[in-house]
Amino acid sequence: NAGVTQTPKFQVLKTGQSMTLQCAQDMNHEYMSWYRQDPGMGLRLIHYSVGAGITDQGEVPNGYNVSRSTTEDFPLRLLSAAPSQTSVYFCASSPGLPRSSYEQYFGPGTRLTVT
Amino acid sequence: AQSVTQPDIHITVSEGASLELRCNYSYGATPYLFWYVQSPGQGLQLLLKYFSGDTLVQGIKGFEAEFKRSQSSFNLRKPSVHWSDAAEYFCAVGSVNNAGNMLTFGGGTRLMVKP
Repeated sequence: NAGVTQTPKFQVLKTGQSMTLQCAQDMNHEYMSWYRQDPGMGLRLIHYSVGAGITDQGEVPNGYNVSRSTTEDFPLRLLSAAPSQTSVYFCASSPGLPRSSYEQYFGPGTRLTVT
Repeated sequence: AQSVTQPDIHITVSEGASLELRCNYSYGATPYLFWYVQSPGQGLQLLLKYFSGDTLVQGIKGFEAEFKRSQSSFNLRKPSVHWSDAAEYFCAVGSVNNAGNMLTFGGGTRLMVKP
């Protein structure tokens, strides 16, 4: 049981490049989320999914796309990277019941630098 | 909209001393409250949670937190700090939005432990 896995761990992009951050979980969780972490700002929700085929925007969705074709995978796509997207990105999953869905299990993070 | 404030960005305590990390929240209804810990280079791990009932909740690693509705606070405490407790601590409030559940995080408090 690997929990929540993220790849890559580190990435450097040039402005305007696109890329996909991968996230997978093997706990059969319904809820999955993407957060970005910036110093002094805690974690901010980018996008989330309540199940396969269903996604919605969080607090800071601009410049990012997601899809959820399977329960296990929830990739985050940067369409045209900008320096403001330099951050640490965390994927999280939770079981999906009304209360336990708040208990989110986090991946190890991807540190992204955009130059 | 909900918000979480952690007034202390950095705290340094001596090993063996007691610890209290402050958290204040703003939320219209009864809040679901959480404390997460992030060790260097790691994802977030849930320390404890409050949904309802007893306002003093126990968590892992000897931590506890007390919910005080009148003060809109959920402070984290530990009687005796260990060097391994050095990490960043995040308070979060859970809320239900249109299609799922969201966590709103505070900006975090970085704990340093002196030998």
